Formats: sequence, structure tokens, C-alpha cells
Amino acid sequence: TAGITQAPTSQILAAGRSMTLRCTQDMRHNAMYWYRQDLGLGLRLIHYSNTAGTTGKGEVPDGYSVSRANTDDFPLTLASAVPSQTSVYFCASRTGGENTGELFFGEGSRLTVL
Amino acid sequence: GQNIDQPTEMTATEGAIVQINCTYQTSGFNGLFWYQQHAGEAPTFLSYNVLDGLEEKGRFSSFLSRSKGYSYLLLKELQMKDSASYLCAVKDSNYQLIWGAGTKLIIKP
Repeated sequence: TAGITQAPTSQILAAGRSMTLRCTQDMRHNAMYWYRQDLGLGLRLIHYSNTAGTTGKGEVPDGYSVSRANTDDFPLTLASAVPSQTSVYFCASRTGGENTGELFFGEGSRLTVL
Repeated sequence: GQNIDQPTEMTATEGAIVQINCTYQTSGFNGLFWYQQHAGEAPTFLSYNVLDGLEEKGRFSSFLSRSKGYSYLLLKELQMKDSASYLCAVKDSNYQLIWGAGTKLIIKP
């Protein structure tokens, strides 16, 4: 079972360029999330989607956009990358109800913005 | 503000027991999670506590005291493969997950 697949695994990007990080899940989970992970900080939520067709802003949404056209795919777009967006990005989906569902994470996308 | 506190790094010996603490101050409480994350890999779910007390799952146990805003993860019979970061996360009153920065556990032979 693939679970959650992210692409690319790593990328070096020039500042000002745009980039889309792809995320696909095959578990038919309704809720999906994008997090960034930086050294010394906890995972920070960028955007989320509770179900196909809806999205919401997390803790650090500025400079990022998402779409959720169907259940399986949840791409994250950086319209004009800046060096502060250098990070490891994790896509996740959630099973179960709001109170108990554990998160399943993709393997991460390491992005470096120069 | 909301915050989760955990030690940055801990060292333990193979075969021993280690306790990783997590204290939290959040707006409301709807459960506490522990995740394991090996270097360069994705976090994976370890445990979930919503009621006070101890939840045991093999070599790993997790404890919660809601009145004290405190949890710990107990790892017994440590193995080298337990070297990883351990992330504590609390679900607040809006069902949003607040994450600690993680505790890096180093296991020595």
C-alpha cells in the first residue's frame, strides 16, 4: 500500500520562481494537511483540507496556496519562493473522527530556496 | 499563547528505560499524541491519550495527567533502533494540533 506519496523528494529553487509540491494519498481519507518542519521548531500547519472542495489556512499560510479538486490529491504551491521557505514539507492525511484520528505522513519534500 | 515543552535531547543506554516528558499549555484539550520520527523520515504514530492514566503498547507506554498539563512517553528495553526524535502534540479546543519541537533520543551501546 502506497499510503501518501510526495514529489519531489528534494528540490533546489531560485528565489522568485514558483514551485508545486505534489501529494497523493490512496487511503480515501477526507482530511489532508501540509506542514513545514524547521530545526528547533514543532511542525507548523500551512494549509489543510477537511474534504474535497474545501481548504483552510493554518498557522503559517502566507506565500502558499493549495487546492483540493478530489479526495486523493492535495498540491501545495509556492507562487514566488523566498529563502525563508527553505524547509522540509510534509503532507499528511487523517483517519477517523476529529477527536481521535492519527495522522499519516508522506516521506517529505526537502526544499531549498536560494 | 499555546505551547508544548519537551527536552531538546536525551541520551540513554541500550537495554535501559527512558522517560520523555511533555508539558503543555493550550486553549482546551482534546487529546495528546506521541509520534516517532527517525532522521530524514516521516513521523509515525505511537500513541494517543485523552483520559488520565497510562496506556501501554508493547515496550512503549504513554501517561497523561490533564490537571497537570503533563504527559510522558516511557520506553523500556531500549534498542538502537529507538534512536529517533519523539514528538508530542496536543489537540486544542478547535481540534487543531499543536506540536512540540521534539526530543532527540540518542541510544548508546
